[in-house]
Amino acid sequence: GESVGLHLPTLSVQEGDNSIINCAYSNSASDYFIWYKQESGKGPQFIIDIRSNMDKRQGQRVTVLLNKTVKHLSLQIAATQPGDSAVYFCAENNYGQNFVFGPGTRLSVLP
Amino acid sequence: EPEVTQTPSHQVTQMGQEVILRCVPISNHLYFYWYRQILGQKVEFLVSFYNNEISEKSEIFDDQFSVERPDGSNFTLKIRSTKLEDSAMYFCASRGTGTLWADTQYFGPGTRLTVL
Repeated sequence: GESVGLHLPTLSVQEGDNSIINCAYSNSASDYFIWYKQESGKGPQFIIDIRSNMDKRQGQRVTVLLNKTVKHLSLQIAATQPGDSAVYFCAENNYGQNFVFGPGTRLSVLP
Repeated sequence: EPEVTQTPSHQVTQMGQEVILRCVPISNHLYFYWYRQILGQKVEFLVSFYNNEISEKSEIFDDQFSVERPDGSNFTLKIRSTKLEDSAMYFCASRGTGTLWADTQYFGPGTRLTVL
């Protein structure tokens, strides 16, 4: 079956440094991916998305990289700020309307 | 900025009781979803809804669950006879027309359901 993001690691970074959060997916047929940010007690918030016909997409301070060969997705956050502290998780979609979510990575920004 | 809203923010109920969780999706969106997140676990898909019918549902969405769009703005999730294991945060989401970069699902703030 499909599975996304088998681990829930914690990443601690210094304020101002760049963060890289990783996600592994298992369904090679997935064609659309989203990164979400979830702050404590809140719903998931869309950060950035990418389709399988691309390998990189940039937003404001964020970049998503997709490596279909190894079924790996990463989120890069430039100049990490205290407000970036949250759980980040990826979600994949396979031509359908529902998404499979990973368990997430907790990002902790140190002052 | 348009947003998905959910009520109530917290619902406490006794096991075996019926609950209805309410959502108001973004007004021009066409696809609606319910997800749940048990404390400390990942978000899980429950059901998707389009054109006034269920388009896909997970194995979690059994006969105890139902969804309805009773009018042009609300989207509800009903659990007929709640179980302890239904305790979770329930998120509603909606998305637009499905064009290239419009597949983004926008989530509501969630309803925390506590079954005693």
